[in-house]
Parts: sequence; structure tokens; C-alpha cells
Amino acid sequence: GAGVSQSPSNKVTEKGKDVELRCDPISGHTALYWYRQRLGQGLEFLIYFQGNSAPDKSGLPSDRFSAERTGESVSTLTIQRTQQEDSAVYLCASSWLAGGAYEQYFGPGTRLTVT
Amino acid sequence: SQQGEEDPQALSIQEGENATMNCSYKTSINNLQWYRQNSGRGLVHLILIRSNEREKHSGRLRVTLDTSKKSSSLLITASRAADTASYFCATAPYGNNRLAFGKGNQVVVIP
Repeated sequence: GAGVSQSPSNKVTEKGKDVELRCDPISGHTALYWYRQRLGQGLEFLIYFQGNSAPDKSGLPSDRFSAERTGESVSTLTIQRTQQEDSAVYLCASSWLAGGAYEQYFGPGTRLTVT
Repeated sequence: SQQGEEDPQALSIQEGENATMNCSYKTSINNLQWYRQNSGRGLVHLILIRSNEREKHSGRLRVTLDTSKKSSSLLITASRAADTASYFCATAPYGNNRLAFGKGNQVVVIP
């Protein structure tokens, strides 16, 4: 079946503009995660959604970052008034359920460059 | 915050050799997972080891877990050029639904 998809694959934007990143998880996966990966670094957790529960937003770095998920499907990560330090690869992952007992399936990522 | 810490962070070996990398963590965990990332793209799950397991095998991969030392190791036997990638450990702390990823090990296998 289809894996996790993300769009766009690359995004170049000017400082101060808003961007919206999209993630389509694997069908049937109730948990969805967003991560940020700066060049040569590990993954930084941003937010996760589990079914209809309130999302865990504890990793969002500032109020310029927000995310939504429609039911158990598509999610969008929005970054307002982008800054150069927002440049990174944004990875989305989904899993059957939230929690460490379940492997996460990752999308190919969106490479964001803020000029 | 990142919990897992891999060591060594960069490894260069000849094809056919074994590659070993370690991961340490700080809190009690339910499970520990290892992932591979090729060329800065999405991560691929390799293996999951539960806190009550000490060793697990999958093909050429061998993972150990020592909960008393809060450490894990990943061994790739008979490495191939295609094993060139970054390898991340990820821990699942008790009472927390999210994984904490380490900074990753970059492994280069020279043909």
C-alpha cells in the first residue's frame, strides 16, 4: 500500500512569509507525528496527534508554529512569519497507535529553505 | 529534548567488516528502536527491542539492550556499501507516547 507522503518536497520562501506543509499518513494509522531535522542533526519532536485526543504540542518551538489534523487523515504544519532558523527538513511519521511499542513510518520530508 | 545519544557519531569501514554503534539514554524506557536514514530523507524502521529483552536479531542486524547501564548497541555484520546511512536510536520513556531520537551515527561503508 501507499506510504506516508509529504508535500511539497522542497519549499523556498522569503523571511516573514507563511508556509504550509502537508502530510498524508498511511490509511488506518491513528497516530501522526511531526519532526524537524536541521542539517546534520537528529530529529526534534514538534507535535503528535492520536485519534481524537488533544494533540501533544509540547515540542512546538514558538507560537509561530501550529498544526492541524483532520480526523485520522491529512495533517498540515503551518509556520507563520518564517525565520531563517526555521530552515530544516520537516518530517512526518505515522503509526498504528501512539507510543513506543509501535514503529513509525516516515515520509520523505519537506526541505524548507528560508532566504 | 533528545534522550538517545549515539556513539561513535561517525564510522568509516570497509565492505565486509562489521559496524558497531552504541546508544545511551537517561530515563526508564518501554522500548528502544533503531532507524536508518539515507541521504537526509525519511527514516526507515530497523528493529525494536523491548525493555525485558536483552538481544534481538534481524537479518544482518543484532541489537542488544542493557537496561542497567541504560545503553543499547547495534551491530551490522558483513557490511555492504548499501548500508551507508545514518543510524538513529529512539527511546520510548514510560508514560510518554513519543519517541526521543538521538543525534545519529553516520556510517560509511567503503566498497
